[in-house]
Amino acid sequence: GAVVSQHPSWVICKSGTSVKIECRSLDFQATTMFWYRQFPKQSLMLMATSNEGSKATYEQGVEKDKFLINHASLTLSTLTVTSAHPEDSSFYICSARDFRGMGNQPQHFGDGTRLSIL
Amino acid sequence: GQNIDQPTEMTATEGAIVQINCTYQTSGFNGLFWYQQHAGEAPTFLSYNVLDGLEEKGRFSSFLSRSKGYSYLLLKELQMKDSASYLCAVRDGNYQLIWGAGTKLIIKP
Repeated sequence: GAVVSQHPSWVICKSGTSVKIECRSLDFQATTMFWYRQFPKQSLMLMATSNEGSKATYEQGVEKDKFLINHASLTLSTLTVTSAHPEDSSFYICSARDFRGMGNQPQHFGDGTRLSIL
Repeated sequence: GQNIDQPTEMTATEGAIVQINCTYQTSGFNGLFWYQQHAGEAPTFLSYNVLDGLEEKGRFSSFLSRSKGYSYLLLKELQMKDSASYLCAVRDGNYQLIWGAGTKLIIKP
């Protein structure tokens, strides 16, 4: 089945550091990738939608200059949290949709990245 | 606006049956999905309904009524490992996935 690989799974770093998270589709071409954030005991919150070769579409309230998204190929999207602060600590999850995403499983999720900013 | 409602939390007993409801109001409809999410993990796909009726998959079943904007996820023979959050999501007319806030299911022995 379709697999999405997300790396790293856990990051602990100092405030002010920039952190890059990678999301790869392993056996399909992901025309669209989604980045979610989830705080403890809360539901998924869509941050942005990225389409290969074009600029990401950010949800309201998400700072595009802080959360840089690059979707340079059909199998890779990256999210960079720039100058991270403790309030950015969260669980970040990517998902990917292939060109067949109109069917009965619209998105394939990565395993998530737990980001802790000290 | 678009809206999906599901209960925040439910409690059930091991071995019993539980039904988690989901109501939705979206601009267009192209399918409803249920996902399971254990704490600290990414969601995993459970079921998909696009036509009215019941879809059964082992211990889990999902029902859809498009005219009522309503779905439920039925879990039978509950096991402790079923303790998780269950997310209802609707694909709208633009094929965007709209997520509910999730229902935390607590299973007691």
